[in-house]
Amino acid sequence: GAGVSQSPSNKVTEKGKDVELRCDPISGHTALYWYRQSLGQGLEFLIYFQGNSAPDKSGLPSDRFSAERTGGSVSTLTIQRTQQEDSAVYLCASSLRLGGGELFFGEGSRLTVL
Amino acid sequence: KQEVTQIPAALSVPEGENLVLNCSFTDSAIYNLQWFRQDPGKGLTSLLLIQSSQREQTSGRLNASLDKSSGRSTLYIAASQPGDSATYLCAVRPRIQGAQKLVFGQGTRLTINP
Repeated sequence: GAGVSQSPSNKVTEKGKDVELRCDPISGHTALYWYRQSLGQGLEFLIYFQGNSAPDKSGLPSDRFSAERTGGSVSTLTIQRTQQEDSAVYLCASSLRLGGGELFFGEGSRLTVL
Repeated sequence: KQEVTQIPAALSVPEGENLVLNCSFTDSAIYNLQWFRQDPGKGLTSLLLIQSSQREQTSGRLNASLDKSSGRSTLYIAASQPGDSATYLCAVRPRIQGAQKLVFGQGTRLTINP
């Protein structure tokens, strides 16, 4: 696509429910990144993919968070048993390659856990 | 550990002024530095990417410089307009084996007054 597409743009859920956030990167971009932006906070790195592989998962906040990427394209970030502290904007970015490539971000998915 | 600082946190200037936003980083071992803007409730828009071997990049009324040895970058905005009002973020990609995440500053919230 022309840009990074994320869905849903807004999600309100109850504490304890599972949520899935989707990211569709720019066509041809091999690298994909997930970040989290909490209110009044900076951007927190979560995970990156090179193709379908996620070499470094150490940025995920807890084992309730998981992510996968299929076909070298779409990625899904799943949060199980959501907590109020998970409320944030989840941003996805892609780049043509790892290393020195320019990152392009989507509009984000705003998650609110009640 | 790489840290990125942006000063000031907020800036308000009259329309038409030229202005400079500052970004400093603690470790000069970087692949590149990228400037973004973020409008309220939106994702990040890439403005300029400067590779570590470069000194500056220009796009329209924007000019970004990089002094890697002193750990500084500036974003110069010429003839500011109300549409330039946004939060401006700088981010560096550390040159560390296996590191793929950008390290972001907290941003400068810019307001251009008509």
